[in-house]
Amino acid sequence: QVKLLQSGAALVKPGASVKMSCKASGYTFTDYWVSWVKQSHGKSLEWIGEIYPNSGATNFNEKFKGKATLTVDKSTSTAYMELSRLTSEDSAIYYCTSGWFAYWGQGTLVTVSS
Amino acid sequence: DVVLTQTPVSLLISLGGQASISCRSSQSLVHSNGNTYLHWYLQKPGQSPQLLIYQVSNRFSGIPDRFSGSGSGTDFTLKISRVEPEDLGVYYCLQRTHNPPTFGGGTKLELK
Repeated sequence: QVKLLQSGAALVKPGASVKMSCKASGYTFTDYWVSWVKQSHGKSLEWIGEIYPNSGATNFNEKFKGKATLTVDKSTSTAYMELSRLTSEDSAIYYCTSGWFAYWGQGTLVTVSS
Repeated sequence: DVVLTQTPVSLLISLGGQASISCRSSQSLVHSNGNTYLHWYLQKPGQSPQLLIYQVSNRFSGIPDRFSGSGSGTDFTLKISRVEPEDLGVYYCLQRTHNPPTFGGGTKLELK
């Protein structure tokens, strides 16, 4: 079955960067876009952007351009998202999702605190 | 960006009862290819969202027929009949007809 396994929680200092991973299994990784979604505490969901593993093509929500960088490693079927210049506003759970938003990872909690 | 407005914000339902959630879009969600990319999710406490309904009315794999979706254009509805304890959580609609994809604000389903 399709699984998206995300990396563990991260505690990072303001101004730093964080890179999280999303390892896919159970389907052909290069066939579907992988999207990343942000959920701030107790709030709704925001689409950050997407990457097509086969080509590395990306699309971003304007709000997250310059904040998020998306990459993939086809050899390990893993997608990555790096968030830079972190502030308290970036504290949230981040999900990866694939299969046209059908399949979701378990989420990675990022806490930005000094 | 397309704004999805969900109502109500919260819903108190008795076990075995019926729930109805509305999702209204700020613009038509009919894609140029004729499809309507409006999906429904349930997020249970402490879990990631799970897909219930895709493209307005199609139940995802393993989703019981107690869940049904309907609507067109800008107005969509999710109905849950014979509510069970495992149906509790926050329901979201998502549109991916227009870029960027956007989510509704959520509807919390609780037991009366």
